[in-house]
Amino acid sequence: AQSVSQHNHHVILSEAASLELGCNYSYGGTVNLFWYVQYPGQHLQLLLKYFSGDPLVKGIKGFEAEFIKSKFSFNLRKPSVQWSDTAEYFCAVNYNNAGNMLTFGGGTRLMVKP
Amino acid sequence: GAGVSQSPSNKVTEKGKDVELRCDPISGHTALYWYRQSLGQGLEFLIYFQGNSAPDKSGLPSDRFSAERTGGSVSTLTIQRTQQEDSAVYLCASSSTANGQQFFGPGTRLTVL
Repeated sequence: AQSVSQHNHHVILSEAASLELGCNYSYGGTVNLFWYVQYPGQHLQLLLKYFSGDPLVKGIKGFEAEFIKSKFSFNLRKPSVQWSDTAEYFCAVNYNNAGNMLTFGGGTRLMVKP
Repeated sequence: GAGVSQSPSNKVTEKGKDVELRCDPISGHTALYWYRQSLGQGLEFLIYFQGNSAPDKSGLPSDRFSAERTGGSVSTLTIQRTQQEDSAVYLCASSSTANGQQFFGPGTRLTVL
């Protein structure tokens, strides 16, 4: 079965620190890749997505992610985090040959200290 | 325009009762998905509707769970004879195309006592 792994369950950073959240997925053919964010008390929102083309994708709020096909990875990065980035981050994969649903990682809770 | 809406936002029920959860997708979106988010299980796919095609029910955990989508728009997720392990946040999402970006609703928090 397809699976998505997020290596860090909890991350605590100070403001202005750099962020990298890991995401690896199991092999399953062609994939579409997503990062979603859930701010406290809010619903899931899309940060960025990769369907094809340039493997380095830019998202909202200064986030970016790099698709490395050989490593089955789609890590999320931000050069300088802000207190307002405190949230839970979910990596999600759509395996094109297995239906249209998303397979989610377990999520990473990020706390940014002011 | 309006996003995905779900009702109720919170539902508390007793073990053994049936519950219905409602989802209103974004107007014009042909694809509709149900997921649930629970402690220890994360976010799990439940069921997927695409246009007039037969739904993909592969994620439903038991035959107590069912869903329908009327007129290609509103969807209802029904859980019969609820159990305590059904307690979770049930999320609905819609997209304009298959494999497209999914827009999520705020969820319904279900608590089974």
